[in-house]
This record gives sequence, structure tokens and C-alpha cells, in this order.
Amino acid sequence: GAVVSQHPSRVICKSGTSVKIECRSLDFQATTMFWYRQFPKQSLMLMATSNEGSKATYEQGVEKDKFLINHASLTLSTLTVTSAHPEDSSFYICSASPKGSPYEQYFGPGTRLTVT
Amino acid sequence: RKEVEQDPGPFNVPEGATVAFNCTYSNSASQSFFWYRQDCRKEPKLLMSVYSSGNEDGRFTAQLNRASQYISLLIRDSKLSDSATYLCVVNMYRPSGSARQLTFGSGTQLTVLP
Repeated sequence: GAVVSQHPSRVICKSGTSVKIECRSLDFQATTMFWYRQFPKQSLMLMATSNEGSKATYEQGVEKDKFLINHASLTLSTLTVTSAHPEDSSFYICSASPKGSPYEQYFGPGTRLTVT
Repeated sequence: RKEVEQDPGPFNVPEGATVAFNCTYSNSASQSFFWYRQDCRKEPKLLMSVYSSGNEDGRFTAQLNRASQYISLLIRDSKLSDSATYLCVVNMYRPSGSARQLTFGSGTQLTVLP
């Protein structure tokens, strides 16, 4: 149980384009989903926290107009990287907290974004 | 000062060795503590939670010292499959943030050699 999927697992895009990453909780409802970014040899950095049906809360230094988050249902959150630049190339990982178990987090397998 | 600090390593140990990792955290109001394991290019996976009384899971022992704000992980009888990066993770209290947010250390890299 408690499986989280991400799609796509890997994406290469050209500078200036937008990329959408999906995060789904497959066998549970997630009231809260988290989006992280991880650069090589660095730790996961929380980008934003999203609650179903409300606006995401972004961490300091993360541009909300560049990283659009939509948490439209209890099983799906999306992250759209708009006007991507090479410095946005990173490993993006989502996690989800089950409804009723707010202190548990289950991680998706991650999406590796390369912007050329 | 980082909120969660770890020795980055790398630790290269022979099979069968005992290895210990340390971690310190800055916020004394932190509530929950975990060790995660991350394999190369994969997502982190929960290894174990850390409790004040100390807890053990097979070859893995975790300790928490709230007074010193210090967490440790001990791995006995290392296996080749233990090679990974070990992340110290804290559910850090933030007045302006969600109580469920996790803060990750930068990780300690372990390589177990045959």
C-alpha cells in the first residue's frame, strides 16, 4: 500500500518551453502533497506544499509564477515548470501524506528534468 | 548554520564492518526524526523512525539525544546492499509552515566494499 507515482520519469526539453510533472497517490487519498528538488550530490530541498483544493505554499526563494502547482484532487498534484532554463535541470520528487496520517510521507520515484 | 547537518562522507567500509553516522539539528522544538536511505537516482525510502529511547531494527540501531540535538545511526555487519546515501530527516517545527514538513540533511554516502 501507499504507492505514489510520478510521470514522466525522465524528460528532456528545450529552453523556454514548459514541462508538466504529475504526482499521483495510487491507493490512498492525499490531503497534502509536497514537491522537492534535488541537485546532484545535494539533499532534497522542499519547494512547496500543496493542499487539495487550495493554493500551494511556496518555500522562500521558490518562484510561484515559474513553478505552478495544482492539487485539484485528493490523488493528483501537478508541477509545471514554465519557461524552463538549463539551471532548472534537476531531480524533482513529490511526496504525499495520507488523509488521516499527516506525519507520514510517501515518495514518488522522481522525475529527472534536463533542459537543453 | 544548516538546519540538519550530516558528515557527507564518503564512508568506505569492508563487508561485515560496523559503521556509525551522526546528525545534528538546529531547532530544539523539532518533533519527529527519521533516517531515510537513497540509492543513486532514486527516491528516498524510509529506513526507520528514531525515538528518544533508541530503537533497533535488525542490524540498524538509531539513537536520539534531544538535549544535544543529536541523532545517530549504527549499522552492524555491513552488507554490500547497504551501499547508499543515508539521509537524516527531521520534522522541524516552523511557526509559519506546515507541521508535516520534513527537513532533509545533505546525506552521508556509504560504500560497502567486498
